[in-house]
Amino acid sequence: AQSVSQHNHHVILSEAASLELGCNYSYGGTVNLFWYVQYPGQHLQLLLKYFSGDPLVKGIKGFEAEFIKSKFSFNLRKPSVQWSDTAEYFCAARGSTLGRLYFGRGTQLTVWP
Amino acid sequence: DVKVTQSSRYLVKRTGEKVFLECVQDMDHENMFWYRQDPGLGLRLIYFSYDVKMKEKGDIPEGYSVSREKKERFSLILESASTNQTSMYLCASRSTGTGRGEQYFGPGTRLTVT
Repeated sequence: AQSVSQHNHHVILSEAASLELGCNYSYGGTVNLFWYVQYPGQHLQLLLKYFSGDPLVKGIKGFEAEFIKSKFSFNLRKPSVQWSDTAEYFCAARGSTLGRLYFGRGTQLTVWP
Repeated sequence: DVKVTQSSRYLVKRTGEKVFLECVQDMDHENMFWYRQDPGLGLRLIYFSYDVKMKEKGDIPEGYSVSREKKERFSLILESASTNQTSMYLCASRSTGTGRGEQYFGPGTRLTVT
């Protein structure tokens, strides 16, 4: 079965610091990859997704992620975080276009002003 | 905009009650999903449905059942609620039309079983 690992459970940063959240998946074939975000009290929403092509994907709110096939990784980055980025971030993977998503356990990001 | 709605934001039920959680999507999506979200465990898939009257077990189906009689509606049923089913329940839907559909999530139902 597929699995997705997020190694950081809770990350605390000051505003303007750079962010990198790790995500590794365990599927050897073609994979679709996603990052979702859940702001306090809000529903999950898509930050960005990767299907094919350029391995550097840009999403909303200045986030980006890089797909490195050799490392089975899809890390999320942002050069300068803001207090409003405080949220829980989930990485997810899907092994086929019809398949279900596999989610990581989430990373809680706290940004201090 | 895709809209996924869930019947209740907060629900309190007693142990042993039969509980129905309803989810409706308005975009004619084929796939629908039920997850539970618990701190430190992320999202765990309970059941999903590829299309009307179809259902597949996810990772934690025990104690739950589902119903999908119409394309837009996917119901999660707790046959006999127990305290360990206290959780946040999330519904999602997805189009398979282009093969690249993302999942859209509802706001969640926070269920407390006492």
